Amino acid sequence: DAKTTQPNSMESNEEEPVHLPCNHSTISGTDYIHWYRQLPSQGPEYVIHGLTSNVNNRMASLAIAEDRKSSTLILHRATLRDAAVYYCTPYNNNDMRFGAGTRLTVKP
Amino acid sequence: SQTIHQWPATLVQPVGSPLSLECTVEGTSNPNLYWYRQAAGRGLQLLFYSVGIGQISSEVPQNLSASRPQDRQFILSSKKLLLSDSGFYLCAWSARTVVVNQPQHFGDGTRLSIL
Repeated sequence: DAKTTQPNSMESNEEEPVHLPCNHSTISGTDYIHWYRQLPSQGPEYVIHGLTSNVNNRMASLAIAEDRKSSTLILHRATLRDAAVYYCTPYNNNDMRFGAGTRLTVKP
Repeated sequence: SQTIHQWPATLVQPVGSPLSLECTVEGTSNPNLYWYRQAAGRGLQLLFYSVGIGQISSEVPQNLSASRPQDRQFILSSKKLLLSDSGFYLCAWSARTVVVNQPQHFGDGTRLSIL
């Protein structure tokens, strides 16, 4: 299984961009890179996913390194509601595995 | 739009008692369905997944079982709970399409405490 490495925690100021990094150096060629976030006592929420090209949606952008060994989730303007634990995961074959994730704190 | 419902939200059960957690999905047909457990401060562990009615794949040997009696209903059960079964149980669904690696969409979970 591909292993991921993320910072334990990050802080951001409200309305500033946030770049959340993830290393997945053992990712296989068929794994997509998925990002989820989770608030306390809630289920994870899908954020974005991609394979090779950078991706944008209404929630965030995903920048994927050319060698696919790392990726960065970009929140363009952090809000207080973006405070959560963010998980990146190489995903394939129905088995969603999260590591410890990055706890994002957003300061007003 | 699609929604997923899990109940109950919290449950306290004595050791050795039975368990039944239910999950239903609305607004989609033929979904893939999943049960996960998330221990405190740790990542997700896939317990079961199902690609259709009556089709269950088990990922981890344990005293839990799963059933899918209807297309959009997924049930997690146990005949006798152990202390180690405590945790946060999550149900999820994904679209079953020719495109693999579809995102999974999670319910709000059931926090199970075994006393």
